[in-house]
Amino acid sequence: QSALTQPASMSGSPGQSITISCTGTSYDVGGYNYVSWYQQHPGKAPKLIIYDVTNRPSGASNRFSGSKSGNTASLTISGLQAEDEADYYCSSYTTTKSVIFGGGTTLTVL
Amino acid sequence: QAQLVESGGGVVQPGRSLRLSCAASGFTFSSFALYWVRQAPGKGLEWVTVISSDGNTKNYADSVKGRFAISRDNSKNTLYLQMNSLRPEDTAVYFCVRDQFCNGGSCYDGMDVWGQGTMVTVSS
Repeated sequence: QSALTQPASMSGSPGQSITISCTGTSYDVGGYNYVSWYQQHPGKAPKLIIYDVTNRPSGASNRFSGSKSGNTASLTISGLQAEDEADYYCSSYTTTKSVIFGGGTTLTVL
Repeated sequence: QAQLVESGGGVVQPGRSLRLSCAASGFTFSSFALYWVRQAPGKGLEWVTVISSDGNTKNYADSVKGRFAISRDNSKNTLYLQMNSLRPEDTAVYFCVRDQFCNGGSCYDGMDVWGQGTMVTVSS
């Protein structure tokens, strides 16, 4: 099964908002409300920032928000800050009872 | 607080075996589904396997099916990954991870607790 499709890189200026897309199929993203997003800084373990499409775990910034339409999920980061510079991964449950990740998006804060 | 600590990584020749362990603390280990997720150097995350809270349900990525085996000992709060017939493409940091709410049914509620990872290098 191929990875979910994310843009390889994105950039934005401090204070701006950006949206990272994550495209799958009806067998994963489109079939379940089990989409999660992770933030990973270099040399660190990933951190959960969105689960079940739209929910934020405790400790995650309220500047992160998630949504989904059809086979595409999205992560929006509002009010970009320097600390948001990191890699972002989406993931989804699948019909084969597995989890699939996106290829990752490297976010640069200009 | 909840913590996962992996061990057992190292350098191994192709075709050999390695067993990873993951010691858990700070939460009720037997209530949560657990995963192994790996990340090859400079690459993205790859889901490897999952085990239900009671250990009865397991699933594997096609890339490791038939070679890797996940298990858990709820009396010891420890998760394992037995890796056999290792290949160079298995070289990666292996993370032990907890599902936030799911106990291993048909669900996935996000991976909220991650270990620091253990490096596995498969090379001759």
